[in-house]
Amino acid sequence: DGGITQSPKYLFRKEGQNVTLSCEQNLNHDAMYWYRQDPGQGLRLIYYSQIVNDFQKGDIAEGYSVSREKKESFPLTVTSAQKNPTAFYLCASSIWAEPMNTEAFFGQGTRLTVV
Amino acid sequence: AQSVAQPEDQVNVAEGNPLTVKCTYSVSGNPYLFWYVQYPNRGLQFLLKYITGDNLVKGSYGFEAEFNKSQTSFHLKKPSALVSDSALYFCAVRDRGNAGNMLTFGGGTRLMVKP
Repeated sequence: DGGITQSPKYLFRKEGQNVTLSCEQNLNHDAMYWYRQDPGQGLRLIYYSQIVNDFQKGDIAEGYSVSREKKESFPLTVTSAQKNPTAFYLCASSIWAEPMNTEAFFGQGTRLTVV
Repeated sequence: AQSVAQPEDQVNVAEGNPLTVKCTYSVSGNPYLFWYVQYPNRGLQFLLKYITGDNLVKGSYGFEAEFNKSQTSFHLKKPSALVSDSALYFCAVRDRGNAGNMLTFGGGTRLMVKP
């Protein structure tokens, strides 16, 4: 089965802890993305990566970090600097090539709750 | 800058009736436009996209969308709604003239189809 796998589905974090969300894809896509979704709001871009060993900040990168050591993997770390981390996190991937008209594919999401 | 507006937080429709979910966009050039659907606690699923050509685009599950350049709109439609269509719908845009742009998502519209 081709697709994007996010794990875990639910994650609980104590205040002051760092946690890492996993995202793996076997679609051979160059580009990968992390979005945050809060109730009643749309998707906000946290980080994205167009190629291995390179990534860029999105609109709300503060308090988050990423790595892209392999094409298939784009883990997101929610650090203790993120003051309000409770949210639904979505990973996506897409082809990154002209004419840039292809859709993104999404994982099933990770719901992070601070306890 | 590119942006998307979904003016209705929620749309209510009776099963069997036609449905419309509205989307308007703003880009400096020409747009690529996308519709996604999200079921509770799941990722986004791609429904359809407008790239070029025919203004009426047909997609998955009987959905279609009409591109209107003069009104900068891309409304999602279905001739006969099903209860199972109840979900959260997102419109997204990418400026065709700026390949480095990410997808920008609207805030989402919740569709409720009542039996």
